[in-house]
Amino acid sequence: GQQLNQSPQSMFIQEGEDVSMNCTSSSIFNTWLWYKQDPGEGPVLLIALYKAGELTSNGRLTAQFGITRKDSFLNISASIPSDVGIYFCAGLRTNAGKSTFGDGTTLTVKP
Amino acid sequence: EAGVAQSPRYKIIEKRQSVAFWCNPISGHATLYWYQQILGQGPKLLIQFQNNGVVDDSQLPKDRFSAERLKGVDSTLKIQPAKLEDSAVYLCASSLQSGSYEQYFGPGTRLTVT
Repeated sequence: GQQLNQSPQSMFIQEGEDVSMNCTSSSIFNTWLWYKQDPGEGPVLLIALYKAGELTSNGRLTAQFGITRKDSFLNISASIPSDVGIYFCAGLRTNAGKSTFGDGTTLTVKP
Repeated sequence: EAGVAQSPRYKIIEKRQSVAFWCNPISGHATLYWYQQILGQGPKLLIQFQNNGVVDDSQLPKDRFSAERLKGVDSTLKIQPAKLEDSAVYLCASSLQSGSYEQYFGPGTRLTVT
């Protein structure tokens, strides 16, 4: 079945640093989504991307929909301690309405 | 606006026992999803309802898992009998309609099978 590969699997950074993570797939998706999950909670949607090449920002977060429609990138600028958590990408084929999730990037921010 | 509610939050059972999880979606949301999230992995869709009809249950292990959404609102997910590999967090999510990217997740039920 479809599989999304997220990298890196984990990151340990200093507060104030910028972070980059990515997600690749062998399949094409119409929509790319980025979620953040805190311990004991469900994922929360951060950014949604609908068009190949699209670049979208949400505060310190910026995500891009790859031109091939098989990848996406998430950047976090000037990280702060509350950025700690697991970041998931998900690909969606809107006609199917089903999201396929990657296995996440765990982010640790040292004050 | 109230979010997606799930209960119980935690459950510990022995293998071969049965267990049921409950989900109350956001009011007015037609689509309801159940996901299984194994530790260290992303959520995996088990079943998707549109109102009270099943849209996709292709990844639901139907020999032991069942789900229903009576009256198109609340939903229950049941496992009978449970296996050790069913230990996971079971997440419920809802969205306004099928195909909507905005899925709102509940806090999940953490199941431990011993």
